[in-house]
Order: sequence, then C-alpha cells, then structure tokens
Amino acid sequence: KAGVTQTPRYLIKTRGQQVTLSCSPISGHRSVSWYQQTPGQGLQFLFEYFSETQRNKGNFPGRFSGRQFSNSRSEMNVSTLELGDSALYLCASSMGLAGVDEQYFGPGTRLTVT
Amino acid sequence: AQSVAQPEDQVNVAEGNPLTVKCTYSVSGNPYLFWYVQYPNRGLQFLLKYITGDNLVKGSYGFEAEFNKSQTSFHLKKPSALVSDSALYFCAVRDMGPDQTGANNLFFGTGTRLTVIP
Repeated sequence: KAGVTQTPRYLIKTRGQQVTLSCSPISGHRSVSWYQQTPGQGLQFLFEYFSETQRNKGNFPGRFSGRQFSNSRSEMNVSTLELGDSALYLCASSMGLAGVDEQYFGPGTRLTVT
Repeated sequence: AQSVAQPEDQVNVAEGNPLTVKCTYSVSGNPYLFWYVQYPNRGLQFLLKYITGDNLVKGSYGFEAEFNKSQTSFHLKKPSALVSDSALYFCAVRDMGPDQTGANNLFFGTGTRLTVIP
C-alpha cells in the first residue's frame, strides 16, 4: 500500500506570495491533518479534515487554510507569506480521527520564504 | 486545557543500557496517548499508543510505554538501547473529553532528541 505523498517536496517563495501544498493520504484513510515543524516550535497542529469537513483547527492566523476533496486528498494554502512561515509542513493521514487512530506521516514539504 | 510536556530536550544513553524518554500530559477527560519517532531525513513514524486497557503498552522496535494516571505520565522505555534508536521522539495526546467526542485537537510535545552512544 502506498504511503502518504506530499508535493512539492521543496519550495522557495518570496514574502507576500501565496503557496499551495498538496497531500495524498493512504488509500482508505479519511482523516488528513497538517502540521508545521520548526526547530524552535516543534510540531504544531494546523488543522484536521475528516470526510471533507474541517474537524479541528490549531492556533494559526487565517492566512493558513485548507480543504479536503471527496477522494480524501487535501491541500493547504498559505497566503501573504511571511519569513516566519519557513518550515517543514507535514501531512498525516489516519483511518479515523487523528488521536484515535495512529497517523501515517508524509515526508513533508520544506518551504523557504525569502 | 489540554497539553503535553516532554521535560528533556536531550537524552543521552550508552548502548545496551535501558532508556527512558519522559512525557507528562494534562487533559480534562480521558487521554489517548501516542509516541512517534522521527529518524534523520525520514518522516515521523508511529511507535505505540494507549487508548484503554493495560497500562503497559508494547510497540514497534522493542519500545514500550507505561501509562500512569495518578502521575499523568506516559514515559517511553526500552530495556536495551541501540545506536540505531538515536532519533527525535514525540509524545502526543488527544483529550477525548467527558463525552468522548474527541473534539479537541491532537497535541504534540516539543520532542526529545535521544542519542545512543556506542
């Protein structure tokens, strides 16, 4: 069974631009969660989608948004990029809700904002 | 409020010695607890989880964790450390709440870097 895939793997953007990251979960998984990982802040929860509905949202500004499609694939969008948005963005999928079932993580998208 | 703490940023242990990576949590309802590991240049991998039942949970790669409700802890342990265990370890908790809807987010600790010295 294929694992969680994320595209692109690396991205360089300039301040003020917007970016869209994509995540394809493991087949059959209905939950997709997004996390931001930075050396200083660790792993911070962005949001969780389950069956196309946002179930939970972390403490991030409205510039961060996401959606989930009927095939469970998910996209995350960050508008008006800031230097502090430079991070590794991880996507994780699970059969049921994250934190009920174990999550399977993708390799991440490393975003650099200059 | 829900939270999870990993009090040690770094743990060093000699190969062959037992290892412990500490995790404490705070929830209002029943906790669902997880340990994940991140090896260098690889994604996070699930190690083990506690939902209910036996307080001692066994997971992948010989790791186990003990749920202690009175101390609100979920420490990760291994009887004999290997150099290949060197990695970043994350504890995570979800507060299922009194109504078990799990409406709260899944919180990760800040991670503990384990170094096993040959």
